[in-house]
Amino acid sequence: DAGITQSPRHKVTETGTPVTLRCHQTENHRYMYWYRQDPGHGLRLIHYSYGVKDTDKGEVSDGYSVSRSKTEDFLLTLESATSSQTSVYFCAISAGGVEAFFGQGTRLTVV
Amino acid sequence: GEDVEQSLFLSVREGDSSVINCTYTDSSSTYLYWYKQEPGAGLQLLTYIFSNMDMKQDQRLTVLLNKKDKHLSLRIADTQTGDSAIYFCAESEGGATNKLIFGTGTLLAVQP
Repeated sequence: DAGITQSPRHKVTETGTPVTLRCHQTENHRYMYWYRQDPGHGLRLIHYSYGVKDTDKGEVSDGYSVSRSKTEDFLLTLESATSSQTSVYFCAISAGGVEAFFGQGTRLTVV
Repeated sequence: GEDVEQSLFLSVREGDSSVINCTYTDSSSTYLYWYKQEPGAGLQLLTYIFSNMDMKQDQRLTVLLNKKDKHLSLRIADTQTGDSAIYFCAESEGGATNKLIFGTGTLLAVQP
């Protein structure tokens, strides 16, 4: 998948605990994105990054924070997980052109 | 805000043509996309069309765009069982950040 690795691939966590998902790319692409996929909603943009330490909010950013300290890694943090954050999370990367490449996804369950 | 709508499910027989439809509301959309998602996998870009085009053909795939009605369709000719997947329509305003707005997805089931 175009040199994108998401970790972990599956996680079960308890309500109120912090969770960090990692997206790692080997393509040296400038732009990185976090989306969540939920039935009936398709994919919705949480946060995106347009360079190291440059990030911005997407459509559904409440309850999430991100960090990008180096080009290859984009971290998504749920400071205090809630059941409404149970979802499948996808990372995507882009060089700034038309096409975005997606990772395999992380299935997160908050119990 | 922007909204992209798709029907939830389509069932076809192997060898028939499939047509998946999508409507969108953002008149400033620059690119419109079709992505495919197989079970347990990420999204794979199938094709895209620039907003000043009416049609794009790529092997078995034909994309039609009616910009006046904000309607996009994907036709798959000679549908195969391997085409069974969820198909997402998406739009973006283009630009460097190229943020995507996705539809809800259409599950295509191909019966042998």
